[in-house]
Amino acid sequence: SQQGEEDPQALSIQEGENATMNCSYKTSINNLQWYRQNSGRGLVHLILIRSNEREKHSGRLRVTLDTSKKSSSLLITASRAADTASYFCATDSPGFGNEKLTFGTGTRLTIIP
Amino acid sequence: EPEVTQTPSHQVTQMGQEVILRCVPISNHLYFYWYRQILGQKVEFLVSFYNNEISEKSEIFDDQFSVERPDGSNFTLKIRSTKLEDSAMYFCASRGVRFNQPQHFGDGTRLSIL
Repeated sequence: SQQGEEDPQALSIQEGENATMNCSYKTSINNLQWYRQNSGRGLVHLILIRSNEREKHSGRLRVTLDTSKKSSSLLITASRAADTASYFCATDSPGFGNEKLTFGTGTRLTIIP
Repeated sequence: EPEVTQTPSHQVTQMGQEVILRCVPISNHLYFYWYRQILGQKVEFLVSFYNNEISEKSEIFDDQFSVERPDGSNFTLKIRSTKLEDSAMYFCASRGVRFNQPQHFGDGTRLSIL
């Protein structure tokens, strides 16, 4: 698989349920970030987790990182209709300065009211 | 909260014409980026820019592409002679100077080449 592959590709759940999306990558990373993209809109930064961190929380979001498995997960708890969007993980490689991001293919999340 | 702004939101151009996409990064950011997303595909890195010069560019960023920071606020992407395959959503992003900071993206410019 390529750097930054999310699964599932699409996920539909009922409002109020939790949504879990996974991301795998292949090379060493400095940081892993999750972004949300509403249809036809820009990328909204959700959370950044550093390579030396294992878990991070922000509101209803919980991100885990397992560098030994080169994988990350994004959990959205108590989902709302407004959470309907595509979610992407993006990694940057070790090094100081510019850290270009390599994006995954994304998970399209649909919350059913 | 400060935002990255991009103009125009949609640009329609004839093949072979030059286009300039404009971005105003967040004011205290020093690292700037362009990415593109062809419909239904991944977001792809094009170029990064720091201290008034290109830091890194991808294979996509060939001689037809150029970037410029003409003044203290704007950051532009120019495509000299557009091709049909340049049709995509182009995103500008910027990042603060401190290490391990996220990149913040604009809403993008949808470029349609006819």
